[in-house]
Amino acid sequence: GENVEQHPSTLSVQEGDSAVIKCTYSDSASNYFPWYKQELGKRPQLIIDIRSNVGEKKDQRIAVTLNKTAKHFSLHITETQPEDSAVYFCAATFRSLSGYSTLTFGKGTMLLVSP
Amino acid sequence: AAGVIQSPRHLIKEKRETATLKCYPIPRHDTVYWYQQGPGQDPQFLISFYEKMQSDKGSIPDRFSAQQFSDYHSELNMSSLELGDSALYFCASSLGQGGYSYEQYFGPGTRLTVT
Repeated sequence: GENVEQHPSTLSVQEGDSAVIKCTYSDSASNYFPWYKQELGKRPQLIIDIRSNVGEKKDQRIAVTLNKTAKHFSLHITETQPEDSAVYFCAATFRSLSGYSTLTFGKGTMLLVSP
Repeated sequence: AAGVIQSPRHLIKEKRETATLKCYPIPRHDTVYWYQQGPGQDPQFLISFYEKMQSDKGSIPDRFSAQQFSDYHSELNMSSLELGDSALYFCASSLGQGGYSYEQYFGPGTRLTVT
């Protein structure tokens, strides 16, 4: 099955700094890579995603880059704000033996933005 | 916009009891996924359904079963509950594309506590 590695496990930045979270995946057939933000006790919230036919995608302060050759993708948050503090999960979807898609998550990165 | 609905939001059961969790997907979504998330962990995929048929199976214990009904809602049935089953259970839904779904949107979760 798919294996997704995520680094770092914790990240502390000052308000206004940039934050970068990196993930690698194992299945070269993976073609969809979402990022989720999860606040304590709440649902994972889809914040941005990228498909394998695109190298970069941006939405206001967040961007995701994908390097298919190296099998890694990254989340970039610029001008961080205290409300960005949360756990961020990367994920990769792969087609299982049954022929359908399944998401495998990384272990998560706890981002703390200090005022 | 309508979101995924889960009920109940909180459930307390004793060991060896049974529990039923319900999930109502976003209207028009035909694919439902169940995840289990322990404290400080990433969501672990349990099982999924596409067009009312089981599409994939993850780390779901044999004590658990699930189904998707004609109105696309899904139920996760858990029997012989163990202390280790205490977790957040999330349902997610997506719009299938020939069985290969992309964006998954999570419900608010059911917090199950087994005492």
